[in-house]
Amino acid sequence: AQKVTQAQTEISVVEKEDVTLDCVYETRDTTYYLFWYKQPPSGELVFLIRRNSFDEQNEISGRYSWNFQKSTSSFNFTITASQVVDSAVYFCALTPTNSGYALNFGKGTSLLVTP
Amino acid sequence: DTAVSQTPKYLVTQMGNDKSIKCEQNLGHDTMYWYKQDSKKFLKIMFSYNNKELIINETVPNRFSPKSPDKAHLNLHINSLELGDSAVYFCASSYQAPTEAFFGQGTRLTVV
Repeated sequence: AQKVTQAQTEISVVEKEDVTLDCVYETRDTTYYLFWYKQPPSGELVFLIRRNSFDEQNEISGRYSWNFQKSTSSFNFTITASQVVDSAVYFCALTPTNSGYALNFGKGTSLLVTP
Repeated sequence: DTAVSQTPKYLVTQMGNDKSIKCEQNLGHDTMYWYKQDSKKFLKIMFSYNNKELIINETVPNRFSPKSPDKAHLNLHINSLELGDSAVYFCASSYQAPTEAFFGQGTRLTVV
């Protein structure tokens, strides 16, 4: 069975603060992929990152960074110097390398960045 | 060019009606999906098709029937709509590989 837990339901920060969104996953598969998606208020789902289970290297993309730790089954997402435009619901997701690659989503974390 | 397009964007209908949502992708992907997002924003896979073949069919009422006329299209037909079917339905596509899925804009279905 696979499960993704995003324990933070809602987070509110002031602009320019750093914020970390937590993601913990459970899977029995040895090979799997982890994703983060962003859903802004307009409703579309925007892909942010994909990471495979064999690649624990952290990644940085501009103000975004991701910390993948297999030992703790976590794939956390940090936004540095947050901006109002970062306000969105962020979803962490997991997919095995079989069964059609459908995404198992966490329940999402709603991030509100205020000026 | 829109990569994954769904129509309609909004759908309001009465209980008991039958409705369809259409989805088309122009990315050359071989796998398409339907996801349902409920009022609490929870996203759950409903169906997955690879090259017109059903490969995932989650626990979804029989009233929901996907149809894939070709690998660029995956339509969702819903019979005898119920209040609980109200949700946002997202179509998505990807390659048959754990690459990122591209999502359509979503169809907000409201059953009254």
